[in-house]
Amino acid sequence: EVQLVESGGGVVQPGGSLRLSCAASGFTFDDYVMLWVRQAPGKGLEWVCLISGDGGSTYYADSVKGQFTISRDNSKNSLYLQMNNLRTEDTAFYYCAKETQGRLDHWGQGTLVTVSS
Amino acid sequence: EIVMTQSPATLSVSPGERATLSCRASQSVSSNLAWYQQKPGQAPRLLIYGASTRATGIPARFSGSGSGTEFTLTISSLQSEDFAVYYCQQYNIWPPLTFGGGTKVEIK
Repeated sequence: EVQLVESGGGVVQPGGSLRLSCAASGFTFDDYVMLWVRQAPGKGLEWVCLISGDGGSTYYADSVKGQFTISRDNSKNSLYLQMNNLRTEDTAFYYCAKETQGRLDHWGQGTLVTVSS
Repeated sequence: EIVMTQSPATLSVSPGERATLSCRASQSVSSNLAWYQQKPGQAPRLLIYGASTRATGIPARFSGSGSGTEFTLTISSLQSEDFAVYYCQQYNIWPPLTFGGGTKVEIK
């Protein structure tokens, strides 16, 4: 059974940093592109970034480019999101998701990031 | 970037009735379209991919159709557990992956 479990969310002041983690199990982790998708409270889904299976390619939404960094450790079956210089508009639930031929077939339960003074 | 537009924003339906949700793409996405269901407090769940293929474990009352720029998700007979928000997502040209704004299906 595929499982994705996010952690690392919390409350941070504007300008602060946070690192999210996503522990994966139940599939061959390095065979798959992994993504982060976020959802502001009461709003829709927004793709944030993705990383290739070997970690060699990364892509970011314009809204987070230069601010967030996605990475993975295939030896630990783990995905990460380093978020720097956080702004109030980054407040959201952050989901990690597994991609298969373009569709997101498995999602984690999400972790809430609140940016507030 | 391909913009996805869903309508209506809210759909009020009685249990047992049929629900029809629409999704439009700003340019052709062929059949590279997925639908997701999200219930309050839960992560999204994949329902449909390839515009019309049900994901594993999805009941037959959910069906998808369309290609190019116009897509439809139909729930043939709404059950209580189907009241949720539904999102479409294109994966024809990505990144970026783009989602529609969602349609909330509520009890009439």
